[in-house]
Amino acid sequence: KQEVTQIPAALSVPEGENLVLNCSFTDSAIYNLQWFRQDPGKGLTSLLLIQSSQREQTSGRLNASLDKSSGRSTLYIAASQPGDSATYLCAVRDYNTDKLIFGTGTRLQVFP
Amino acid sequence: DTAVSQTPKYLVTQMGNDKSIKCEQNLGHDTMYWYKQDSKKFLKIMFSYNNKELIINETVPNRFSPKSPDKAHLNLHINSLELGDSAVYFCASSQIVGGADTQYFGPGTRLTVL
Repeated sequence: KQEVTQIPAALSVPEGENLVLNCSFTDSAIYNLQWFRQDPGKGLTSLLLIQSSQREQTSGRLNASLDKSSGRSTLYIAASQPGDSATYLCAVRDYNTDKLIFGTGTRLQVFP
Repeated sequence: DTAVSQTPKYLVTQMGNDKSIKCEQNLGHDTMYWYKQDSKKFLKIMFSYNNKELIINETVPNRFSPKSPDKAHLNLHINSLELGDSAVYFCASSQIVGGADTQYFGPGTRLTVL
């Protein structure tokens, strides 16, 4: 059964820092991996999607990497800003069940 | 122009009542989903529909019944509401483009059962 774990559960950093959020999954049989952002009381916004055949994707200050064989992904946020404060969720599209399996999220706070 | 919309945004009701949550997407996507996010913020899929047909039906109580009148709508009806049904329910849609199927989520419906 596919399980997705995110570390750390919470992170508080000063503005301007570069930071890394980690995601691990137990079964490497995936179609893709997505990183989402969730603001308090709001829905999820897709940030990046990495296909199983890809190693990384970049969007602005965000860079996501995927190491499928080791079951890991990282989301790198460069030059963090207070507006980046949110919960970041990773999810894998499981090959066997065709379901999107979510991690527990990392709650990020960037303070000025 | 909201891509995936849900109504209502908040729903407070008594145990035992029946309620519905509506979802509409204007993205032209073929696939729609319902997710439940519990008090610990864990998000889990409940149902998935593709072109009005049920594709994924997770192990949820049969008090939950999705209905898809057309490709753009997926409503969720809940009978005999229980305290444990209190959660945020998210609707989402997706379409495979270039081999990738980014999911787009609605704003959520916060259900509180008293």
